[in-house]
Amino acid sequence: DAKTTQPNSMESNEEEPVHLPCNHSTISGTDYIHWYRQLPSQGPEYVIHGLTSNVNNRMASLAIAEDRKSSTLILHRATLRDAAVYYCILNLYGGATNKLIFGTGTLLAVQP
Amino acid sequence: DTAVSQTPKYLVTQMGNDKSIKCEQNLGHDTMYWYKQDSKKFLKIMFSYNNKELIINETVPNRFSPKSPDKAHLNLHINSLELGDSAVYFCASSRQLRGSEAFFGQGTRLTVV
Repeated sequence: DAKTTQPNSMESNEEEPVHLPCNHSTISGTDYIHWYRQLPSQGPEYVIHGLTSNVNNRMASLAIAEDRKSSTLILHRATLRDAAVYYCILNLYGGATNKLIFGTGTLLAVQP
Repeated sequence: DTAVSQTPKYLVTQMGNDKSIKCEQNLGHDTMYWYKQDSKKFLKIMFSYNNKELIINETVPNRFSPKSPDKAHLNLHINSLELGDSAVYFCASSRQLRGSEAFFGQGTRLTVV
C-alpha cells in the first residue's frame, strides 16, 4: 500500500500560518491526497483533499507539488482549537470503494 | 444531528465474551467502514461495505464479523474477545465516488480485561 511520511510534531503560535508538509513518493496517478485531523478523544475529522490542483476551503488550503510526490497543508491562522494530530493520507480506490491509508501523522501544538 | 453515530462509546468486557458495536449514518452514503486505532494511535482499515456488500476485509480475524442490515447501518460483532482486541474502533461513511471524503464517528473504546 502507498504510504506517506510526515514530521512527528510541529509547533506554531496562535494566529500565525502553519505549513504541514507530507511526502508521498509512491503515489499513483489516481490516488487522491486527503488530510484529516484528530482532536483528543475524537474521531478523525476531514480537512481537505485534492488530486492534482491546489485546493482551498474554509478550513485550510492544500498545495500539491507538480509531480504529486509531496503536498503541504496550510492553516492560514492557527488557533488553539487547531491543536491536533494531522494525517496526510492517500485515498486508494478499488472495488468501487475508497480506502484511507493512515500514516503516523503530525502532532501540531499551538502556543498562545 | 450526528452524522455518524456509534454505540456504545465505552465498552469494558472480559476475555472470551462476545460483544457488538453499532453504527448508523444519516448522510445517505453508500459506503461504510470500520477502522481500528491501536494503543500507538495507528489507524487501520478493517472493513468496507458498499450498499450492504462486503468490499474490503483487511486480514481481520474471523472472530470479527461485520453486518450491514441496510445502507445506513454497519454493526461489528466480535466473538471470543482477546486482550489484543483492546483498541478504539471507528465507524465511518462516504459516498461511493472515487476520492470522496469520509466522515467518522466518535469511536468506541473497547477494553478487554
